[in-house]
Amino acid sequence: AQSVTQLGSHVSVSEGALVLLRCNYSSSVPPYLFWYVQYPNQGLQLLLKYTSAATLVKGINGFEAEFKKSETSFHLTKPSAHMSDAAEYFCAVTKPPAGNMLTFGGGTRLMVKP
Amino acid sequence: DTGVSQDPRHKITKRGQNVTFRCDPISEHNRLYWYRQTLGQGPEFLTYFQNEAQLEKSRLLSDRFSAERPKGSFSTLEIQRTEQGDSAMYLCASSQPPEGASYEQYFGPGTRLTVT
Repeated sequence: AQSVTQLGSHVSVSEGALVLLRCNYSSSVPPYLFWYVQYPNQGLQLLLKYTSAATLVKGINGFEAEFKKSETSFHLTKPSAHMSDAAEYFCAVTKPPAGNMLTFGGGTRLMVKP
Repeated sequence: DTGVSQDPRHKITKRGQNVTFRCDPISEHNRLYWYRQTLGQGPEFLTYFQNEAQLEKSRLLSDRFSAERPKGSFSTLEIQRTEQGDSAMYLCASSQPPEGASYEQYFGPGTRLTVT
């Protein structure tokens, strides 16, 4: 069985500060990992994905994440927060090669202070 | 590519009533997924289809829930005899087959169900 743990249900940063959202996974096989962002009353938008190629993955809006097998982690970072980054962020895992269901973490709400 | 669409966006119903939601996936995607998201939680998998075949169902999908994808295009999710615990956002997603090595699921805007 797969699972995802997102440490910190709420993270607050100042505009221009580093964003770090934590994600740890558990999987019986090498996983594929995703970060999604959700704005209020909207669906989920894919930020980036890891599918066993480069361990450092760059996504949209300046976000990136690094897959660390030894730490079973896939933390999301952005060097400089912008007010528009305020949203809910979800880490998710799926099991190749079937790649059917996504298992999501509980989410982290990012707040950006001016 | 118009994205995944869902209808209605909001539904308020009384306990005990039946409701049906519709999802239209991205046209070339043969996989379609349903998830449920309660307030403050991550989405939870309910079921998925490959073309018209329903290949997996979560134990969350009680016998009051039924999903169909009759022609391998749009899908419907019906909840019979709704309960207050069914209040949630119901999300639909679609993807290409895994042979495309994409694994990306594209989500619709969701249907928010409120059971009073």
